Amino acid sequence: EIVMTQSPATLSVSPGERATLSCRASQSVSSNLAWYQQKPGQAPRLLIYGASTRATGIPARFSGSGSGTEFTLTISSLQSEDFAVYYCQQYNNWPTFGQGTKVEIK
Amino acid sequence: QITLKESGPTLVKPTQTLTLTCTFSGFSLSTSGVGVGWIRQPPGKALEWLALIYWDDDKRYSPSLKSRLTITKDTSKNQVVLTMTNMDPVDTATYYCAHSPRGDGSIDYWGQGTLVTVSS
Repeated sequence: EIVMTQSPATLSVSPGERATLSCRASQSVSSNLAWYQQKPGQAPRLLIYGASTRATGIPARFSGSGSGTEFTLTISSLQSEDFAVYYCQQYNNWPTFGQGTKVEIK
Repeated sequence: QITLKESGPTLVKPTQTLTLTCTFSGFSLSTSGVGVGWIRQPPGKALEWLALIYWDDDKRYSPSLKSRLTITKDTSKNQVVLTMTNMDPVDTATYYCAHSPRGDGSIDYWGQGTLVTVSS
């Protein structure tokens, strides 16, 4: 099973600032990686798939990059609605999630 | 518009079998490439994939839970059913069903989730 490791566990950012979230795979997953946003009491929402393709309706301030074992989700200018937990997920083999990064208000 | 909704018991006793039903609309599980899966999330913890069923009835299971899980589909009813045997308090979680448009485990639509508590 591929282990996904996200860092940091918590990221404190001021509104309007840039946030950079990392995700590392224990072995190569090619570009078979997705990012999800989850707010309290809600189901996750797909942000990025194929490592860098934004899902339908996702604002351009969200961008994904990377391939192989190292991936990044960047939120260019944090809005109030972006404070949430973010999960990466690989689907190159049996799908597995990272443990999440909580983006909180600084 | 794709929607999915989970249904089933909110409370089960240890050792019992859990049966959850996902009822969906807006797509057909007979369409090539499509999959429907189950994911769970213990309170305050991360997400965990459980099982995935494909349009052609191929099935995949979490390696660590495979012996306890069965996933089936009823295409005519637009339903997918997950059974999990020998429930334990550590299985307490919100259980989600989800649509995988390419059947590869990436998810574009999620159900609202249903909280299942395992307690005597």
